[in-house]
Amino acid sequence: DADVTQTPRNRITKTGKRIMLECSQTKGHDRMYWYRQDPGLGLRLIYYSFDVKDINKGEISDGYSVSRQAQAKFSLSLESAIPNQTALYFCATSETRDSDEQFFGPGTRLTVL
Amino acid sequence: AQSVTQPDIHITVSEGASLELRCNYSYGATPYLFWYVQSPGQGLQLLLKYFSGDTLVQGIKGFEAEFKRSQSSFNLRKPSVHWSDAAEYFCAVSPGNTGKLIFGQGTTLQVKP
Repeated sequence: DADVTQTPRNRITKTGKRIMLECSQTKGHDRMYWYRQDPGLGLRLIYYSFDVKDINKGEISDGYSVSRQAQAKFSLSLESAIPNQTALYFCATSETRDSDEQFFGPGTRLTVL
Repeated sequence: AQSVTQPDIHITVSEGASLELRCNYSYGATPYLFWYVQSPGQGLQLLLKYFSGDTLVQGIKGFEAEFKRSQSSFNLRKPSVHWSDAAEYFCAVSPGNTGKLIFGQGTTLQVKP
């Protein structure tokens, strides 16, 4: 089984709809992250969490919110989806040191019509 | 502000040829440095990382990278490319004490038979 899983893997939704992307990990890591990937822009950090009680905004948090339900679960919500939120979304986890690598899930491809 | 630049958006090499992917960063001190690879439809996988010590680091799949402080560069190399190396490659830096990654725009590698 994969260490970092994301659901759904693909989603098509309409403008104005609320949508939640979920991430679960079995690695026992404290740190979790949400990124979006757009062609030519690389990955940009949306939100990150260093433990269950710690939530931080990343580079591009506007229009998004997150919930850290447990050490293993970190959800990303789009309260009212808009077309420019069409992107590939990745969840990642890491251990506690800044030099530790991040482990990525397989991604969720979101299309907002 | 910290930034990462991968000057080459697309690179095409012949199978068996050598490869160098460029990465430059902007940061006052020495950050933690990473190279990740993303195969089509997959999440990101760590190839190698540098955080101290020997400036030439070895990674998986026959890749290596050299940290050059004077040039603020962390270029990825492979002596002989295989068709399976076709993928997108991301350089990333973690500025000290932030626990976050800043990604470059990515370089897409195409391998000709």
